[in-house]
Amino acid sequence: GESVGLHLPTLSVQEGDNSIINCAYSNSASDYFIWYKQESGKGPQFIIDIRSNMDKRQGQRVTVLLNKTVKHLSLQIAATQPGDSAVYFCAENYSGAGSYQLTFGKGTKLSVIP
Amino acid sequence: DVKVTQSSRYLVKRTGEKVFLECVQDMDHENMFWYRQDPGLGLRLIYFSYDVKMKEKGDIPEGYSVSREKKERFSLILESASTNQTSMYLCASSLTSGANTGELFFGEGSRLTVL
Repeated sequence: GESVGLHLPTLSVQEGDNSIINCAYSNSASDYFIWYKQESGKGPQFIIDIRSNMDKRQGQRVTVLLNKTVKHLSLQIAATQPGDSAVYFCAENYSGAGSYQLTFGKGTKLSVIP
Repeated sequence: DVKVTQSSRYLVKRTGEKVFLECVQDMDHENMFWYRQDPGLGLRLIYFSYDVKMKEKGDIPEGYSVSREKKERFSLILESASTNQTSMYLCASSLTSGANTGELFFGEGSRLTVL
């Protein structure tokens, strides 16, 4: 079946460096994508989203890139800080089917080295 | 800000007990969801509801039921808890229409241990 996956389960970066977290999706009809951050002991929190009519979207210190040709999504975090340490999930949705469900990837754990 | 509140952060129950997990959202969202989260398996959808008294099975509904009597409240019920239902349970809600359709707002989670 269709699924969302991640290339790397863990990622360690030095404080101040940029982080890139990758995600591959297999449903070519998906048209809405979200990145969530989950800190230890807490529920996932929305970071940034992007619709399929865009290739790039920027937030505060975060950028999401969407490559529909290879069905790839990435989250870039600039000047990574200790507070960025968390598990990051990508999620996809195909709104055309009338579905309100998101399909989640397994998650990538980001560890920031002070 | 949207607030999704799960009534219990931590529960310990015995095998065979009936368990209720309650979730309330305060933003008049149409859709509500129950997920469980397990290490290495990510978030898996148990049940969801897109309207009062409506419910749909997710990917892993076996052993669970749900109730949506009011728009703001979505309850997850374990009729007879088993040890393999030990997990983190996450409630979420979303809008049906608007600019952020599909974005899920999550509660803080309920960690259930079944002995």
